[in-house]
Amino acid sequence: RKEVEQDPGPFNVPEGATVAFNCTYSNSASQSFFWYRQDCRKEPKLLMSVYSSGNEDGRFTAQLNRASQYISLLIRDSKLSDSATYLCVVNLYTGGFKTIFGAGTRLFVKA
Amino acid sequence: DTAVSQTPKYLVTQMGNDKSIKCEQNLGHDTMYWYKQDSKKFLKIMFSYNNKELIINETVPNRFSPKSPDKAHLNLHINSLELGDSAVYFCASSQEHAESHYEQYFGPGTRLTVT
Repeated sequence: RKEVEQDPGPFNVPEGATVAFNCTYSNSASQSFFWYRQDCRKEPKLLMSVYSSGNEDGRFTAQLNRASQYISLLIRDSKLSDSATYLCVVNLYTGGFKTIFGAGTRLFVKA
Repeated sequence: DTAVSQTPKYLVTQMGNDKSIKCEQNLGHDTMYWYKQDSKKFLKIMFSYNNKELIINETVPNRFSPKSPDKAHLNLHINSLELGDSAVYFCASSQEHAESHYEQYFGPGTRLTVT
């Protein structure tokens, strides 16, 4: 089992749609969680951190369920500019610090 | 100002050569990383390094070695390049806090092509 698994994608949605991505992690020692966005031929950039209480940033909402070991990202009112790959990222500390990226979920938003 | 910079942006070289990629961050972070992103777009960590320890991903061949002349720089040296080394290499940095890290900031990447 992969340490961080994401929806395979790609997701093809029309503008204005709501889309949700899920991510599961296998190590219960995981401590911090993030969603990154990567545009084609660009570097990954932080989209938002994910907190246990859930957090929202404009059209984006992130949720963390520690008991089930999964993270979600909800995008409302999708824009063309949301087209990108979304990476789930988990940090864990098990005697040494480790960062694990999911394989990413590709999103295409079409007019 | 660029927070994390890498040079060169593109690198084309032949098998068997030795090459280096440079990385600099001006964020004052204490931890730096090297990642490899292959043609399937999967981002894999190669090394993480701060002034305390170097953590190496055990799957990384020993032809790859990080060199840190100071806290703001982490260069990647690759010996005896192979075709399978062709990929995009990203440098990143973050600030350690207690037993966690804040978000990582990535450089623009170096696209390495081995012919």
